[in-house]
Amino acid sequence: RKEVEQDPGPFNVPEGATVAFNCTYSNSASQSFFWYRQDCRKEPKLLMSVYSSGNEDGRFTAQLNRASQYISLLIRDSKLSDSATYLCVWALEIHTGGFKTIFGAGTRLFVKA
Amino acid sequence: GAGVSQSPSNKVTEKGKDVELRCDPISGHTALYWYRQSLGQGLEFLIYFQGNSAPDKSGLPSDRFSAERTGGSVSTLTIQRTQQEDSAVYLCASSPTGDSPLHFGNGTRLTVT
Repeated sequence: RKEVEQDPGPFNVPEGATVAFNCTYSNSASQSFFWYRQDCRKEPKLLMSVYSSGNEDGRFTAQLNRASQYISLLIRDSKLSDSATYLCVWALEIHTGGFKTIFGAGTRLFVKA
Repeated sequence: GAGVSQSPSNKVTEKGKDVELRCDPISGHTALYWYRQSLGQGLEFLIYFQGNSAPDKSGLPSDRFSAERTGGSVSTLTIQRTQQEDSAVYLCASSPTGDSPLHFGNGTRLTVT
């Protein structure tokens, strides 16, 4: 089983739609979770951290379900500028010390007018 | 302040040549990561440094790849006897600690002809 499973999409949605992405991880020892956004031919950039209590930043809501080992990202009122690849990410403590940050393969989103 | 700096931004090399890629992380960031991204693919973890030591080298694809970090700062990724399948964008990222969000450089686009 892959360390992380993420639906590659693409998701094609109209402007104003609500879209949700899920990501499952295999290691229950995972520590910290994030969603990143990557635009075409650009480096990934942090979108938001994910907390067990859930957190919201404007139109974006992130949730973590440790029992079921998945994280989710909800985008409300989609904008054309939301078109990008969304990467789920987690930092895993490793036995040799420190953390290893793993990226999912990404889910592509296309928002159309 | 300065972000993560990578050089060169583009590198074209002939098959069989050695290449050296450089990453200058954000000052004070102890964790440094190297990833590789082929066209249309996700990020492939290569190696992680905590200070000058590399607790996790598990992602290096072969013994042609090596990396070092000196002074807890600059890191170099060396690929010996390059092959065409090494062509990709090589991304470096740093963070204050291993489990905090990563800050990426713009990447080095390597093309092996």
